[in-house]
Amino acid sequence: DAGVIQSPRHEVTEMGQEVTLRCKPISGHDYLFWYRQTMMRGLELLIYFNNNVPIDDSGMPEDRFSAKMPNASFSTLKIQPSEPRDSAVYFCASSPDRGRETQYFGPGTRLLVL
Amino acid sequence: QQQVKQSPQSLIVQKGGISIINCAYENTAFDYFPWYQQFPGKGPALLIAIRPDVSEKKEGRFTISFNKSAKQFSLHIMDSQPGDSATYFCAAGGFQKLVFGTGTRLLVSP
Repeated sequence: DAGVIQSPRHEVTEMGQEVTLRCKPISGHDYLFWYRQTMMRGLELLIYFNNNVPIDDSGMPEDRFSAKMPNASFSTLKIQPSEPRDSAVYFCASSPDRGRETQYFGPGTRLLVL
Repeated sequence: QQQVKQSPQSLIVQKGGISIINCAYENTAFDYFPWYQQFPGKGPALLIAIRPDVSEKKEGRFTISFNKSAKQFSLHIMDSQPGDSATYFCAAGGFQKLVFGTGTRLLVSP
């Protein structure tokens, strides 16, 4: 298996622009997680899905952030409009049954908002 | 109650030494405690995990010690090697998700 795939790997954009991050989870995994990693706040859970349904979005910073999972093999995290404080590494992870078990992380998307 | 507190923030150990990283949790509903290892430019990867029904788990040079009454657990890396230099995250598993500690940056000097 190719593991969790994320794209793009790097994104540089200007403040106010829309940013879309993409994730393909490992086939057969029922859970998908979006995390944000910064030096100041560490690894933060933004939202997670179970069987394509959003379960907990309490970590989403504000309305500028949205996430979708239209099918079992694809998810997006969108930031509109982006701000410099959104600069971080965004990870997608997937997990088989019971999301609290082993999570398999993708390589991350490094986002820089100028 | 959902926090997992991790210390130290950074650690420097000589090659061959023992690295020790500590974590504490508050929520007694947590029942799965993994450690993740992250190399620069990579995503975190599971290193070792323990459940609260045992007090210790060892896999090669890596050992988790778990103290249920104190709500603390720690990672010990024996015979630390330069290749172990990475960031380590503890986590605690509750219903359907993990809560991560803030990470420890380990540097093993040659």
